[in-house]
Amino acid sequence: NAGVIQTPRHKVTGKGQEATLWCEPISGHSAVFWYRQTIVQGLEFLTYFRNQAPIDDSGMPKERFSAQMPNQSHSTLKIQSTQPQDSAVYLCASSLETGAQNTLYFGAGTRLSVL
Amino acid sequence: QQQVRQSPQSLTVWEGETAILNCSYENSAFDYFPWYQQFPGEGPALLIAIRSVSDKKEDGGFTIFFNKREKNLSLHIKDSQPGDSATYFCAASENYAQGLTFGLGTRVSVFP
Repeated sequence: NAGVIQTPRHKVTGKGQEATLWCEPISGHSAVFWYRQTIVQGLEFLTYFRNQAPIDDSGMPKERFSAQMPNQSHSTLKIQSTQPQDSAVYLCASSLETGAQNTLYFGAGTRLSVL
Repeated sequence: QQQVRQSPQSLTVWEGETAILNCSYENSAFDYFPWYQQFPGEGPALLIAIRSVSDKKEDGGFTIFFNKREKNLSLHIKDSQPGDSATYFCAASENYAQGLTFGLGTRVSVFP
């Protein structure tokens, strides 16, 4: 079990360019979460899929950010027209969602730097 | 405003001491409280968790003390080792099927 795989590990974009971040959840996990981590804001929830269906995107900035899960083996987070304030570590996590505990297994993250 | 607050922001202890990390929350509906440990360059990993029906949970050298009435909890790291140096996040959710709300973390440094 390789755990949650995120690619790329580092991405540098120029202001106004598009960035696509990829996540491969743990096989068999039904839920996929995206978080953004910065020093100032900490870990911010962005969006959540269950069985590939979007369940909660309340943390997603309404403009420029979108997430998809076209199949059970990967999810993408796309940021259009990136801005310097989008610079952060973007973390993907997956979960089995069984029983009384919801253990999130995080990937190592993608560090996005917008110049 | 932060729904989950942690203190202190950073903590330094000597090897063998007990590190105490504090967490408080606003939402009375929060039911599940995991602590995650994060090393530089890695994602957070679940360390230990407690549900609101319990007031104490132990796992190895880690203990959570939970006070539902006061809406706070603490993580005790007993006999701290340099390998415990990491950032610790307190998190909460209303039920297992929801995303977690995280605190800003406590950076712990254990010196030999």
